[in-house]
Amino acid sequence: KAGVTQTPRYLIKTRGQQVTLSCSPISGHRSVSWYQQTPGQGLQFLFEYFSETQRNKGNFPGRFSGRQFSNSRSEMNVSTLELGDSALYLCASSQGLAGANYNEQFFGPGTRLTVL
Amino acid sequence: AQSVTQPDIHITVSEGASLELRCNYSYGATPYLFWYVQSPGQGLQLLLKYFSGDTLVQGIKGFEAEFKRSQSSFNLRKPSVHWSDAAEYFCAVGAGLRFDMRFGAGTRLTVKP
Repeated sequence: KAGVTQTPRYLIKTRGQQVTLSCSPISGHRSVSWYQQTPGQGLQFLFEYFSETQRNKGNFPGRFSGRQFSNSRSEMNVSTLELGDSALYLCASSQGLAGANYNEQFFGPGTRLTVL
Repeated sequence: AQSVTQPDIHITVSEGASLELRCNYSYGATPYLFWYVQSPGQGLQLLLKYFSGDTLVQGIKGFEAEFKRSQSSFNLRKPSVHWSDAAEYFCAVGAGLRFDMRFGAGTRLTVKP
């Protein structure tokens, strides 16, 4: 069974631009969560989507948004990019809702975003 | 809000030696506790998870962790380290009615031949 895939793996943008990252979960998994990893703030939960609905949300500004499609694939969008948005963005999938008993999440390799 | 502390930023051990990575958490009740490993260029992989039951949890790759409520700790151990264990290790806490996963800052493990 293929793992979680994320595209693109690397991305360079300039301040003020917007970016869309994509995540394909493991086949059969209906939950997709997004995390931001930076050297300064570490790993932080962004949000979780399940059955095309956002079910849980971390403490990030509205510039960070996401969506999930009927095939469970998910996209994350960051608008008006800031230098501080440079990070590794990790996607994780789980069979059930991750927030229910903290079901095991399987992580993708991440998308490295650099904002210049 | 819960928090997680990993006191050691970087640890170096010799191959074959034992390993203990420390994790302390702050939360009123017993949270879900996790250890993840991240190799360079890869995502996180779950090593083990604890919520209730036996306080000694066995995980993958020969790792185990012990939950000590009195010390608010969940330390990760391995009796004999292999060179392939070199990676970054993250302790995480999940608690509350609303999904809220908090990660520690990570401990980078270097294995000497």
